[in-house]
Amino acid sequence: GAVVSQHPSRVICKSGTSVKIECRSLDFQATTMFWYRQFPKQSLMLMATSNEGSKATYEQGVEKDKFLINHASLTLSTLTVTSAHPEDSSFYICSATPDVSGAFFGQGTRLTVV
Amino acid sequence: AQKVTQAQTEISVVEKEDVTLDCVYETRDTTYYLFWYKQPPSGELVFLIRRNSFDEQNEISGRYSWNFQKSTSSFNFTITASQVVDSAVYFCALSDPGGDSSYKLIFGSGTRLLVRP
Repeated sequence: GAVVSQHPSRVICKSGTSVKIECRSLDFQATTMFWYRQFPKQSLMLMATSNEGSKATYEQGVEKDKFLINHASLTLSTLTVTSAHPEDSSFYICSATPDVSGAFFGQGTRLTVV
Repeated sequence: AQKVTQAQTEISVVEKEDVTLDCVYETRDTTYYLFWYKQPPSGELVFLIRRNSFDEQNEISGRYSWNFQKSTSSFNFTITASQVVDSAVYFCALSDPGGDSSYKLIFGSGTRLLVRP
């Protein structure tokens, strides 16, 4: 299947700092990527749609100023958690679609804010 | 509104048993896609299958099979002769295709499957 790579896989940061998470499509171009968040033992919730060359679209209740998304190229989207707090600790995962075959996910990033 | 329901929170079976994971969805759209993913303890999501709303044929892939029934809005997943390595959380998901065939997914709550030796 298509490869979507996410980095880092784990990050621990201090409260108040910012963290950047990268999502790359390795063998295809993706004009659209999606960012999801998953709290422990819960389902995945869509946070935002990342659009190459334009502003991201955020789901209701997601703070756009806290979760900055940049999709500067056809293979890279970044999610920056700004001024992170312990309640932002979660599993963040991105997805992209190479073609009509399906949606493929990165490995996910486990963020812990201490 | 779109919704996916996985009523089974946890299932525990003994190895070699067959197990069926239920998925019921709601959508007003006539064109939609359904997915199943496996999430092992490591966290990554492993793509298992995609089915579009016009294709009601059941599918079999090795020990996995899927039963799509539009009449009951269900897309159930059966593992035959389960193995310990099948232990994971399984998610059913629903999507409308985006303008460029991208998939924005709505996930069910997941079913945690434990296969005991």
